[in-house]
Amino acid sequence: GEDVEQSLFLSVREGDSSVINCTYTDSSSTYLYWYKQEPGAGLQLLTYIFSNMDMKQDQRLTVLLNKKDKHLSLRIADTQTGDSAIYFCAESFGGDSSYKLIFGSGTRLLVRP
Amino acid sequence: DAGVIQSPRHEVTEMGQEVTLRCKPISGHDYLFWYRQTMMRGLELLIYFNNNVPIDDSGMPEDRFSAKMPNASFSTLKIQPSEPRDSAVYFCASSLQGANTEAFFGQGTRLTVV
Repeated sequence: GEDVEQSLFLSVREGDSSVINCTYTDSSSTYLYWYKQEPGAGLQLLTYIFSNMDMKQDQRLTVLLNKKDKHLSLRIADTQTGDSAIYFCAESFGGDSSYKLIFGSGTRLLVRP
Repeated sequence: DAGVIQSPRHEVTEMGQEVTLRCKPISGHDYLFWYRQTMMRGLELLIYFNNNVPIDDSGMPEDRFSAKMPNASFSTLKIQPSEPRDSAVYFCASSLQGANTEAFFGQGTRLTVV
């Protein structure tokens, strides 16, 4: 079945890099995503990667996908206090006519000044 | 577009009462998702619709929960009767057709059942 796991909490100092990890069980996922949730708000898409890619870079964000180990990571370079939030990895299943998004439990990132 | 709109933002109700949560997806989006977020269980997919048709409701916890999408611009999630363990934040999200598109989330409805 579909299961996505993340560590619950990460604390880093401002200016350092943050690495948030995620593991998933179902290898049939088509896309993998990173969403960000700020307090009192809904989730917003940060970036996504197609399942046949290994890496994607988008400004301060680097996504690494190890399909063999079913491991996804999000690296945030030069982490800022504004990056403090909950980060969710998610995977999608299915084709264009029927698909769903399954989320991990979220990793709370705290950036210390 | 104003994004996905959910109402109410907050709801406090007594155990046993009926609760109806509402969602207006982004115009033109084919998919609509209902999620529930709690500290213990994280973000759970309850049900999702494609072109107003329920596709997968396997995440709906019990028969007390029901969801409808009478047209492309409106969906409801109903809990009857409500119980304290239903207390959570309920999110609605919508997306365009296809697995490679972004899901846009509403602000959520914080439900407290006392």
